[in-house]
Amino acid sequence: QVHLVQSGAEVKKPGASVKVSCKASGSTFTGYYMSWVRQAPGQRFEWMGLINPSGGSRTHAQKFQGRVSVTRDTSTGTVYLELSSLRSEDTAVYYCAGGSPTFDSPFEIWGQGTLVTVSS
Amino acid sequence: ETVLTQSPGTLSLFPGERATLSCRASQTVTNNYVAWYQQKPGQAPTLLIYGASSRATGIPDRFSGSGSGADFTLTISRLEPEDSAVYYCQQYGSSPMYIFGQGTKLQI
Repeated sequence: QVHLVQSGAEVKKPGASVKVSCKASGSTFTGYYMSWVRQAPGQRFEWMGLINPSGGSRTHAQKFQGRVSVTRDTSTGTVYLELSSLRSEDTAVYYCAGGSPTFDSPFEIWGQGTLVTVSS
Repeated sequence: ETVLTQSPGTLSLFPGERATLSCRASQTVTNNYVAWYQQKPGQAPTLLIYGASSRATGIPDRFSGSGSGADFTLTISRLEPEDSAVYYCQQYGSSPMYIFGQGTKLQI
């Protein structure tokens, strides 16, 4: 059973960047396509981006063009989300989530969530 | 872009009853790629159903999914107090890759 552990809560000022990590433990998650999804207060879940098992291919939602980067360190079993040019509307709980065996699989595994607060 | 609309917003039922949750898409969902998730307060979501009607690993058979095209349903039979949660539908394999409904809060 794969267990995903995310990094702790962050408080950032507008215009700054944030980097959130998601590390796998237990069984290997090398076969999983990993996504980042966020949930702002009172809002729907919003998919942000995805990276393939090898880390060599990524895609992201058009809304985050130029601001989001999803990377993967296969040697440590860790996936990262970096979001730049933060604004107050980016305040949300950010989740890593994974599916297999294809890039468009639903999310079988989830991290516990990381609260990112953007405030001056 | 497809919009998923869930109804009702809140559903209050008693233990032993059956819950019927609806998810309607603004466009036909390709391959019936609809999933359902359960989220309890302070926790990450759990996958219940994928492909509109297939139960995920370890999910009790009290949970069942049905539907096709643009209308999908999650049915929970023999409700238990632990079923109290928010339930979300999700379209996957589209563009953007994943789209979620706004959720239905189920109170037992």
